[in-house]
Amino acid sequence: DIQMTQSPSSLSASVGDRVTITCRASQSISNYLNWYQQKPGKAPKVLIYAASSLQSGVPSRFSGSGSGTDFTLTISSLQPEDFATFYCQQTYSTSVTFGGGTKVEMK
Amino acid sequence: EVQLVESGGGLVKPGGSLRLSCAASGFTFSTYSMNWVRQAPGKGLEWVSSISTSSTYIYYADSVKGRFIISRDNAKNSLFLQMSSLRAEDTAVYYCARVFRVETAPIDYWGQGTLVTVSS
Repeated sequence: DIQMTQSPSSLSASVGDRVTITCRASQSISNYLNWYQQKPGKAPKVLIYAASSLQSGVPSRFSGSGSGTDFTLTISSLQPEDFATFYCQQTYSTSVTFGGGTKVEMK
Repeated sequence: EVQLVESGGGLVKPGGSLRLSCAASGFTFSTYSMNWVRQAPGKGLEWVSSISTSSTYIYYADSVKGRFIISRDNAKNSLFLQMSSLRAEDTAVYYCARVFRVETAPIDYWGQGTLVTVSS
């Protein structure tokens, strides 16, 4: 199986901060990388698909980049509603895998 | 409005069986691949299984292969997960999820989840 490693596992940030989360695949996955946001008690929500495509309705402060094995999710200016846990997901393999998650907390 | 409503969760003893159902509405169910994804209490997301539109392609995580069976009934707009030989580590919220029809197949809609607890 393709392993997805996210870093950091958690971070503290303030409203207005620029936040960057990374996701590394154990082998090349081209651009088959999606990002999700999950708030406590809720189902996840897709933010970015195909590494850099913004899902409809998602604010433009979210962006994604990368290809191959290294990917990044960036929040350009953190808003109060953005405090949540973020997951990457690879769909290159028929055995889909998620990263371990990154919890973004208020500083 | 797209809706996915899971049912069938509950408390089951180790070694037991359970069948989860997901009722889909608000879209043409037969034209979308579907997934089951689970989340153990306080843990991350784990993909469980995928099924293509006509059930031609079915895939499972290694952790459930040989114990779980995914199926769908397009006439009834329903997705199922038959779980057997359940273990404590199968305890989780199970989400029914629709796959967005783009090449990288992200999940664009999720149900509210149904909790499965495996305990004696």
